[in-house]
Amino acid sequence: EIVLTQSPATLSLSPGERATLSCRASQSIDSYLAWYQQKPGQAPRLLIYDASNRATGIPARFSGSGSGTDFTLTISSLEPEDFAVYYCQQRSNWLTFGPGTKVDIK
Amino acid sequence: QLQLQESGPGLVKPSETLSLTCTVSGDSIYSSTYHWGWIRQPPGKGLEWIGTISYSGNTYYNPSLKSRVTISVDTSKNQFSVKLSSVTAADTAVYYCARPQARGWLQFFGYWGQGTLVTVSS
Repeated sequence: EIVLTQSPATLSLSPGERATLSCRASQSIDSYLAWYQQKPGQAPRLLIYDASNRATGIPARFSGSGSGTDFTLTISSLEPEDFAVYYCQQRSNWLTFGPGTKVDIK
Repeated sequence: QLQLQESGPGLVKPSETLSLTCTVSGDSIYSSTYHWGWIRQPPGKGLEWIGTISYSGNTYYNPSLKSRVTISVDTSKNQFSVKLSSVTAADTAVYYCARPQARGWLQFFGYWGQGTLVTVSS
């Protein structure tokens, strides 16, 4: 099983700041990684797929990068609605999710 | 517009079988040829993929749950279902049905139901 590790567990930032979230895989997953956003009481929303492709309707302030074992989700300038939990997911070998990073308001 | 809606009992007794159904609207399970999946999330915790089924009934299960899970599809009703046997308190979670954003089973999930909380308790 491929294990995904996300860091940090919590990121405290202010609106307008840049957010950088990390996801590391226990073995190479090429570019088969996605990022989701989840707000309280809601289902996850797909943001980025295959490491760097924005899903339909996702604002350009969200970007993804990386390949192999190390991946990054960047939110260039945090909007109030971006404070949420972010999960990564791999599809290289079965389907597994990371434990999540909570982005909260500083 | 594609919509998925989970339904089923919100309370299940330990050792019994959890059964949920996902009703799909806005698309045909059969003619779309997409796969359809179940994911769960214990309260305050992360996401766990349970399994995925194709429109024709091919199934793929999380190895950690495989011995207890059965996913089935009813194309005439445009529904798919999950059964999880011998449940314990650890199976308490919000259960989501979802559809991948692309064809194939090894995919990311682009469409999700709202989720339904299932509590395992006597």
